[in-house]
Amino acid sequence: AQSVTQLGSHVSVSEGALVLLRCNYSSSVPPYLFWYVQYPNQGLQLLLKYTTGATLVKGINGFEAEFKKSETSFHLTKPSAHMSDAAEYFCAVSGNQGGKLIFGQGTELSVKP
Amino acid sequence: DAEITQSPRHKITETGRQVTLACHQTWNHNNMFWYRQDLGHGLRLIHYSYGVQDTNKGEVSDGYSVSRSNTEDLPLTLESAASSQTSVYFCASSTSGRYNEQFFGPGTRLTVL
Repeated sequence: AQSVTQLGSHVSVSEGALVLLRCNYSSSVPPYLFWYVQYPNQGLQLLLKYTTGATLVKGINGFEAEFKKSETSFHLTKPSAHMSDAAEYFCAVSGNQGGKLIFGQGTELSVKP
Repeated sequence: DAEITQSPRHKITETGRQVTLACHQTWNHNNMFWYRQDLGHGLRLIHYSYGVQDTNKGEVSDGYSVSRSNTEDLPLTLESAASSQTSVYFCASSTSGRYNEQFFGPGTRLTVL
């Protein structure tokens, strides 16, 4: 079975500071991992995904994530936060069949001026 | 451009009424999914379909049904709406395979009074 845990339902950073959103997963098969972002009153859009190969994955808007199998983690980072990064972020792992995704509970990111 | 749309965007209904939420995608994707989003729970899968005439129950399927008569549409029906079904509902679609991203609609905010 697959599951995702996002540590911290709310993270607050200052503009220009490092953003670190934590995600740990559990998977009975080699995992495919995703980060999605949801801006207010909108649907989710893909930030980045890990399938195979390079463990450091770069996404849109300057975000990146590193797959660490030994730590079962896929943390999302951005070196310098911008006000426009304020949103909710979801980590997800692909299920063991078809295209199902199992989502974490989400982390709301606030950016202070 | 291909897209995924949901209608209505907002709906208020009364307890006991039947409600149908529409989802239409022009990506020609085989896979379609319905989620509900509630504070503290992230996104939870209601029903999903891997192709025409195929439907499957997700983790929170009680009180909901879907049917898939063509590739483009997966309507979600609440047979007898309950206050516990007040939520934001998202439809998503993807191509087949565990590594493929899901594309999300803008959501429907449903209030059951």
